[in-house]
Amino acid sequence: DAEITQSPRHKITETGRQVTLACHQTWNHNNMFWYRQDLGHGLRLIHYSYGVQDTNKGEVSDGYSVSRSNTEDLPLTLESAASSQTSVYFCASSVAAYNEQFFGPGTRLTVL
Amino acid sequence: GENVEQHPSTLSVQEGDSAVIKCTYSDSASNYFPWYKQELGKGPQLIIDIRSNVGEKKDQRIAVTLNKTAKHFSLHITETQPEDSAVYFCAASHFGNEKLTFGTGTRLTIIP
Repeated sequence: DAEITQSPRHKITETGRQVTLACHQTWNHNNMFWYRQDLGHGLRLIHYSYGVQDTNKGEVSDGYSVSRSNTEDLPLTLESAASSQTSVYFCASSVAAYNEQFFGPGTRLTVL
Repeated sequence: GENVEQHPSTLSVQEGDSAVIKCTYSDSASNYFPWYKQELGKGPQLIIDIRSNVGEKKDQRIAVTLNKTAKHFSLHITETQPEDSAVYFCAASHFGNEKLTFGTGTRLTIIP
């Protein structure tokens, strides 16, 4: 069955380190999204991509970057991790606009 | 940009009773309004969505209503069951700005 996976599921890192969170989907969806979830803020969009070589900033993109070299993967990189980036991160994909976004299981990141 | 407000933040109802969650949006151009359910430890999952060309949509015990004039939409769950306990998110988007803007979530607890 097609699916969307995230790895690692849990990560503890130190302030200043570079961290990369992986997202892989097997639906061949063009659209992929990264969100962070924090209590009281819901889901906030970090970066998104509408296809290979396309990346766009969301509302909370500072300190994060993404690259899209193939359809299946959209890794999220924290260039220099900060304690404010402690959060649960969700990746999602959709076939097109106005279609269901399928979410991964999430990655809980703790920055000490 | 779009702003989506969601109320209440927590809601407890007796099993068998109805639950209503309300959202308002700011961008009058928004025309797509999905609702997502997030169970503990999992990613959000689409449960119902509505487009601005209709005022109401039902799917078994779940219904969504939309008032474009007032810029608000609501989720109605009837005959609630223990498995309805979860966090629910509303969202909004529109053609030309295809990102979803999420509300802050409602934690629904069904009391047996």
